[in-house]
Amino acid sequence: GESVGLHLPTLSVQEGDNSIINCAYSNSASDYFIWYKQESGKGPQFIIDIRSNMDKRQGQRVTVLLNKTVKHLSLQIAATQPGDSAVYFCAERDFNKFYFGSGTKLNVKP
Amino acid sequence: KAGVTQTPRYLIKTRGQQVTLSCSPISGHRSVSWYQQTPGQGLQFLFEYFSETQRNKGNFPGRFSGRQFSNSRSEMNVSTLELGDSALYLCASSFGGGVYEQYFGPGTRLTVT
Repeated sequence: GESVGLHLPTLSVQEGDNSIINCAYSNSASDYFIWYKQESGKGPQFIIDIRSNMDKRQGQRVTVLLNKTVKHLSLQIAATQPGDSAVYFCAERDFNKFYFGSGTKLNVKP
Repeated sequence: KAGVTQTPRYLIKTRGQQVTLSCSPISGHRSVSWYQQTPGQGLQFLFEYFSETQRNKGNFPGRFSGRQFSNSRSEMNVSTLELGDSALYLCASSFGGGVYEQYFGPGTRLTVT
């Protein structure tokens, strides 16, 4: 769960399409996960969370999937809108500490 | 409900000086965590306070310290500033006690010259 790297991977999608952002986490003992959205000049904004005893959780236009076997987390955004353009981070909670992924930049093309 | 607030939003300091940043959590939240965000290292955990006690600490030098007051407001202090301390410092609050949803403030942009 240590964040690494200067260069963020970028996902470009067309407005109206569905987006899938992936995250690999590092610790099988992590019991809770959060997805955040961060727009330029702002703090991370909570999107959706999931506990390790769940595989899937749905919110408004967003779904988080957790695959504990391969330590993988994904965020699905339905009908992506220009306002969804931002950097998206996953965070894992391990022994009362949160560790963040380096993030993925989502670019929504009109 | 008001969100997490941080003051000041921007700060410019000189190497060797010290700085204190402030964070007011969401009303009712007892846990406050501090993070440093830089382009090179991403978001890194500094420490967490819960009910005025430091509950967790990240891998930062002792120049970074914090405290929490009885009203859950928290301050973070960095002494003997170095150029590498330039970063966005983020505060996040959560209810605590098994409720882990964590909400961030807008951050304090610290520039050390």
